[in-house]
Amino acid sequence: DVKVTQSSRYLVKRTGEKVFLECVQDMDHENMFWYRQDPGLGLRLIYFSYDVKMKEKGDIPEGYSVSREKKERFSLILESASTNQTSMYLCASRTGVGNTIYFGEGSWLTVV
Amino acid sequence: GIQVEQSPPDLILQEGANSTLRCNFSDSVNNLQWFHQNPWGQLINLFYIPSGTKQNGRLSATTVATERYSLLYISSSQTTDSGVYFCAVVSGAGSYQLTFGKGTKLSVIP
Repeated sequence: DVKVTQSSRYLVKRTGEKVFLECVQDMDHENMFWYRQDPGLGLRLIYFSYDVKMKEKGDIPEGYSVSREKKERFSLILESASTNQTSMYLCASRTGVGNTIYFGEGSWLTVV
Repeated sequence: GIQVEQSPPDLILQEGANSTLRCNFSDSVNNLQWFHQNPWGQLINLFYIPSGTKQNGRLSATTVATERYSLLYISSSQTTDSGVYFCAVVSGAGSYQLTFGKGTKLSVIP
């Protein structure tokens, strides 16, 4: 079975802190994604990566950056956390464009 | 970009009842998936179904790509079926982005 693992399930951070959310997949997938999910807004794409060191902005990249130094790992970085970044963050991966996408368990981030 | 609409937004069922969830999309798609989000937030793949019909136990799905809709059928519902069901699509040659509908929240009561 495909496994997408997010490093932290629940985090509480202070405004202005730098936050790292880590995601690892074990199926040699080329594509990886970061989404956030908010009530009433659904899932929105923050960034995606179609290969190592490659990244593309999604719908809401402001306030976020990403890093993909190795194929299996895709990190989401909040350079200076703000309260409006309180949300659930979901990582996903897939082999390629026409293939099934798999999600991690999600990371609940609260910024106070 | 492509629009994805799901209906109904909320659904309450008695255990054992059947239901049909609908997903309409505004453009041609080359990828369509159905997901179930459980109460703990995990998104679980149900079907990868850009066209045709598939069945998995009590669940089945049909996508009619030419008419731009997909249906998810749940038969003999159980309380563990509760959660939010999402439809997500990829549109456009070479596109990477998966666009989600707002979901259908299903509550199955004993």
